[in-house]
Amino acid sequence: GDSVTQTEGLVTLTEGLPVMLNCTYQTIYSNPFLFWYVQHLNESPRLLLKSFTDNKRTEHQGFHATLHKSSSSFHLQKSSAQLSDSALYYCALTPHQGGRALIFGTGTTVSVSP
Amino acid sequence: GPKVLQIPSHQIIDMGQMVTLNCDPVSNHLYFYWYKQILGQQMEFLVNFYNGKVMEKSKLFKDQFSVERPDGSYFTLKIQPTALEDSAVYFCASSFGTGGPQDTQYFGPGTRLLVL
Repeated sequence: GDSVTQTEGLVTLTEGLPVMLNCTYQTIYSNPFLFWYVQHLNESPRLLLKSFTDNKRTEHQGFHATLHKSSSSFHLQKSSAQLSDSALYYCALTPHQGGRALIFGTGTTVSVSP
Repeated sequence: GPKVLQIPSHQIIDMGQMVTLNCDPVSNHLYFYWYKQILGQQMEFLVNFYNGKVMEKSKLFKDQFSVERPDGSYFTLKIQPTALEDSAVYFCASSFGTGGPQDTQYFGPGTRLLVL
């Protein structure tokens, strides 16, 4: 079935260093929609990025990701981490045009220290 | 940004009882969703709802589950009867509804349900 695999567990890094969170997916459908959601402590998950266009970089709030259908990947990157980036990050997939259900990965916790 | 509210934030009930989880979606949104997150696991889709009907549901949406939004009030998830494995955080989400799968889903803060 459809699934999403993310960098597991906890990623710890120092402020100013680059961030990269891996996300790969599996689906039989050729036109999936991919999303990154971020959840700060005691807040609701909110959309960070989304894409359905192959090989097109999408950016928001300093983060960027490119959907690569050839490798079924949608990795999240940021060139310089900030303390406020500490949060739980979810990669999610809507497999096909007709559906809206989000299929989430297990989430990656990012902890940025000074 | 747009806010989805969920009531209550926490609920503890005895197995076999009925529980209703309430969601106040973003005011002009037309599509509504429930997701379930068991502690330590990912969020999983349960159901979505549009124009008074269930549009999609997963295998987690058991016969004991039902959803409704009577007369534009709260979007509710009812579980009757509850089971121990229903203990989880339940997230409600809503989206505008006209953009297809790329519509942004706005999530509430979740209701933490504990079934004893």
